[in-house]
This record gives sequence, C-alpha cells and structure tokens, in this order.
Amino acid sequence: KAGVTQTPRYLIKTRGQQVTLSCSPISGHRSVSWYQQTPGQGLQFLFEYFSETQRNKGNFPGRFSGRQFSNSRSEMNVSTLELGDSALYLCASSPGGLGGKLFFGSGTQLSVL
Amino acid sequence: QQQVKQSPQSLIVQKGGISIINCAYENTAFDYFPWYQQFPGKGPALLIAIRPDVSEKKEGRFTISFNKSAKQFSLHIMDSQPGDSATYFCAASASGSRLTFGEGTQLTVNP
Repeated sequence: KAGVTQTPRYLIKTRGQQVTLSCSPISGHRSVSWYQQTPGQGLQFLFEYFSETQRNKGNFPGRFSGRQFSNSRSEMNVSTLELGDSALYLCASSPGGLGGKLFFGSGTQLSVL
Repeated sequence: QQQVKQSPQSLIVQKGGISIINCAYENTAFDYFPWYQQFPGKGPALLIAIRPDVSEKKEGRFTISFNKSAKQFSLHIMDSQPGDSATYFCAASASGSRLTFGEGTQLTVNP
C-alpha cells in the first residue's frame, strides 16, 4: 500500500506570495491532518479534514486554509506569506476513527525569502 | 493545559544501553499517548502507543510506561542500536486525531 504522498517536496517563495501544498492520503483513509514543524515551535496542529469537512482546527491565523476533495486528497493554502511561515509542512492520514493512528508523509519544506 | 512536556532535549547512549525519554501532561482529557520516531528528511512514524487503562505496553525493544496519577509517561528503548539514532516525539490526544506533541528528543546511539 502506498504511503502518504506530499507534493512538492521543496518550495521557495517570497514574502507576500501564496502557496498551495498537496497531500494524497493512504488509500481508504478518510481523515487528513496537517501539521507545521519548525525548530522553534516543534510540531503544531493546523487542521483536520474528514469526508471533505473540517473537523478540527488549530491556533493558526486565517491565512492558513485547507480543503479536502471527494477522493480524500487534501490541499493546504497559505496566503500572504511571511518569513515565519518557513517550515516543514506535514500531512498525515488516518482511517477516520477518532483517536486513530496517524501516518505521516515526508512533508513539504517551504522556505519564504 | 494543552502542553506536553518532554525531556531530555538530547540523549547520548552507548550501543546496547537503555534509552529513556520522559513526558508529562496536564490535560486529564488526553486518552491516547503515542510515540513517534523521525529520521532526517522524513515525516514522523508511529512507534508505539498506549491508552490510560494500562500501565505498560511493550513491543519488541520499545516499552511505554504510563503513570496516570502522576500524568507522566515514558519510552524505554532496550538494547539501543545505532539505527535507533533519531528524534523521538511523545504526543497526546483527547478522543480525536489532533495530536499535541512534546518538544522532541534527539537520540544518538554510539557504536
């Protein structure tokens, strides 16, 4: 079974731009979560989608948004990029049950210049 | 109250030794406590997890010890190997897939 696939692997943007990251979950998994990982703040929860609906949301500004499609694939969008948005963005999928195991992708490394 | 505190920040162990990483939490609603292992350039991978109805869970060389009254849990890696060198994260969640992670422990196992 293929794992969680995230594209692109690396991304370089400038301040003020917007970016869209993509995540394909493990086949059959209906829940997709997004996390931001930085050396200073560690791993922080962004949001979770289940069956195309946002089920949970972390404490990030509205510039961070996401969506999930009917095939469970998910996208995350960051508008008006700031230098502090430079991070590894990780997508994780799970079958959908609450409290279930999360399977992470390798992430998208975003650098904002 | 949502925090999970992890220690130590870094750990150096000799091959064959025991690695011990500790975590503490405040939120009594947490009911799922996984440990993740992360290698450079990779996402975290689930190592082992425990729920508060048991005090210990063992899978191979990895053991979680859980103390509900103290709100603490720890990961023990027996017979540590150089291949175990990675960053380890404890985490916790309350009836959902939203995980609150500890700060991470960078483990180095010397040959």
